[in-house]
Amino acid sequence: GAVVSQHPSWVICKSGTSVKIECRSLDFQATTMFWYRQFPKQSLMLMATSNEGSKATYEQGVEKDKFLINHASLTLSTLTVTSAHPEDSSFYICSARDRWSTGNRAGNTIYFGEGSWLTVV
Amino acid sequence: SQELEQSPQSLIVQEGKNLTINCTSSKTLYGLYWYKQKYGEGLIFLMMLQKGGEEKSHEKITAKLDEKKQQSSLHITASQPSHAGIYLCGAPSNAGGTSYGKLTFGQGTILTVHP
Repeated sequence: GAVVSQHPSWVICKSGTSVKIECRSLDFQATTMFWYRQFPKQSLMLMATSNEGSKATYEQGVEKDKFLINHASLTLSTLTVTSAHPEDSSFYICSARDRWSTGNRAGNTIYFGEGSWLTVV
Repeated sequence: SQELEQSPQSLIVQEGKNLTINCTSSKTLYGLYWYKQKYGEGLIFLMMLQKGGEEKSHEKITAKLDEKKQQSSLHITASQPSHAGIYLCGAPSNAGGTSYGKLTFGQGTILTVHP
């Protein structure tokens, strides 16, 4: 089953409003999570690194005031798209690293969420 | 910055055929992750390779890491329609530390398997 869960799977919002996407690690703690954006028929582009208890680290070209990241606990990171515009419409996906081996899962495995489709109208 | 090149970009095979997807890095590989994605959905973890020369298999999928050549290959034996999807290779940007896990991805290989 899924070990990283995202919510919502899809969301439609009006231009100018804000929308929050949650990323949860279900059965492991993640001090670091990652947020990616994927444009249609393209690969994943890293947006930012979410650090538990501290500020997120953003990739070059990503507006930190537009894409607010909060990593309030060891199992939850949120991405808030503020003042959304149609060009922010995209598929957003998060990942988390499970540092430790558990059962038949090796340590350092990186799991991805199911992704969230955002449409801004 | 690191770049990953996947080949081929797309692949159409008949059910039962074997196939190989390659992933070549422009820089040193500190590990290599393989994922499968269906369009618009999340990434399904397939395999993680951490050491040069490492080879792992799961069901009909085998992945190898050639650290010297800075490349990895994913081989599917006796392909089935359920193998269809987008295969992505991802490489971590560093060898370890708390920020380990930031992946650079190849552009993906679209696999179609005809019954």
